[in-house]
Amino acid sequence: EDKVVQSPLSLVVHEGDTVTLNCSYEVTNFRSLLWYKQEKKAPTFLFMLTSSGIEKKSGRLSSILDKKELFSILNITATQTGDSAVYLCAVDPGSNYKLTFGKGTLLTVNP
Amino acid sequence: NAGVMQNPRHLVRRRGQEARLRCSPMKGHSHVYWYRQLPEEGLKFMVYLQKENIIDESGMPKERFSAEFPKEGPSILRIQQVVRGDSAAYFCASSPRGNDIYGYTFGSGTRLTVV
Repeated sequence: EDKVVQSPLSLVVHEGDTVTLNCSYEVTNFRSLLWYKQEKKAPTFLFMLTSSGIEKKSGRLSSILDKKELFSILNITATQTGDSAVYLCAVDPGSNYKLTFGKGTLLTVNP
Repeated sequence: NAGVMQNPRHLVRRRGQEARLRCSPMKGHSHVYWYRQLPEEGLKFMVYLQKENIIDESGMPKERFSAEFPKEGPSILRIQQVVRGDSAAYFCASSPRGNDIYGYTFGSGTRLTVV
């Protein structure tokens, strides 16, 4: 069965800290890995990764994929209270339309 | 562009009642996907529909659950004779093309509580 495991499940930091969120996966036919941010509403897209070793960056957020070791990390530097959310990792196991999600990491950034 | 609209946002049903969840895709999107998020769990794929067609319902429970996406109007996820275990957040996503994970846009979800 396809599996996506995120760690830690929750994390509390202070504003200005840097955090690293982890996502490991076991899927039959990997196509891509996606990161989403979920506040109290719709998951919103952050990154899509298909190739190993190529960092995707958007402002203070960055992500990288290691297809050999089957994991990805999401880094957030200089965290702000607005970064508080659940961060979801999802993998496309070959269908190009169906995602397998991890349970998410709940990040709380305190002022 | 209003995005993917789901309603109601919150729905309370007594055991044995029916729940109807609605999803209006983004303008120009003709592909709809339903996911369920149980407490303490990740989102789980339920069904993929195009207009008037069910493409993949491999994640849908075999009994009591059905989905449709008619030619006109929103997609409907219907749960008959709800039980407490159906309490969850149900998310809909839409995309402009079928093989387009990158184009996925999620709605804000419907939180179903069965009492």
